[in-house]
Amino acid sequence: EADIYQTPRYLVIGTGKKITLECSQTMGHDKMYWYQQDPGMELHLIHYSYGVNSTEKGDLSSESTVSRIRTEHFPLTLESARPSHTSQYLCASSDNRVAQETQYFGPGTRLLVL
Amino acid sequence: AQSVTQPDIHITVSEGASLELRCNYSYGATPYLFWYVQSPGQGLQLLLKYFSGDTLVQGIKGFEAEFKRSQSSFNLRKPSVHWSDAAEYFCAVGAGRNAGNMLTFGGGTRLMVKP
Repeated sequence: EADIYQTPRYLVIGTGKKITLECSQTMGHDKMYWYQQDPGMELHLIHYSYGVNSTEKGDLSSESTVSRIRTEHFPLTLESARPSHTSQYLCASSDNRVAQETQYFGPGTRLLVL
Repeated sequence: AQSVTQPDIHITVSEGASLELRCNYSYGATPYLFWYVQSPGQGLQLLLKYFSGDTLVQGIKGFEAEFKRSQSSFNLRKPSVHWSDAAEYFCAVGAGRNAGNMLTFGGGTRLMVKP
């Protein structure tokens, strides 16, 4: 079972507020990911990181930003939340030192912007 | 670029019946294939994965999947469905180590189980 955590699990916030979604893992994985998932839809990669001080944009354009100052943390920030940001955000991590690299997911954060 | 198609958006089966969820992929090289399950309001849990070797792979919760290269498929099966299996199921293809092992997900299949 993977040890990857996300907080908060649910967030309701007003337009224009700055928010940070937290993601942490205790497995020492070097790679971490953020996916966005609208209800009933597939996952879209918005950010990923190969390790400390590495961040890359994913396939889906996003107004969010990420940072990777420590191996275990990969927070996602929205400077000014808008209703269009309402979605579920899933964090994942993987160990690219193993042959069968597999992504493990956190429980997700459901964001509602009013 | 790789892609994944899950042709069935919704499937309803009776409890105790057998289940097969379809997954077709497109990828130029040998694919790495995964099935994940997502219960309502939860993250994704890995059911099983295929990297190489035996084309029939066993997973958790009594699930299995068979890799068929000739059909570009990786269908998920379970011989007897339980009510707790009701969830969304996602098939994913990995791009391989040289491409950073990035995953591309299918659109998902929502499974409903009738009592």
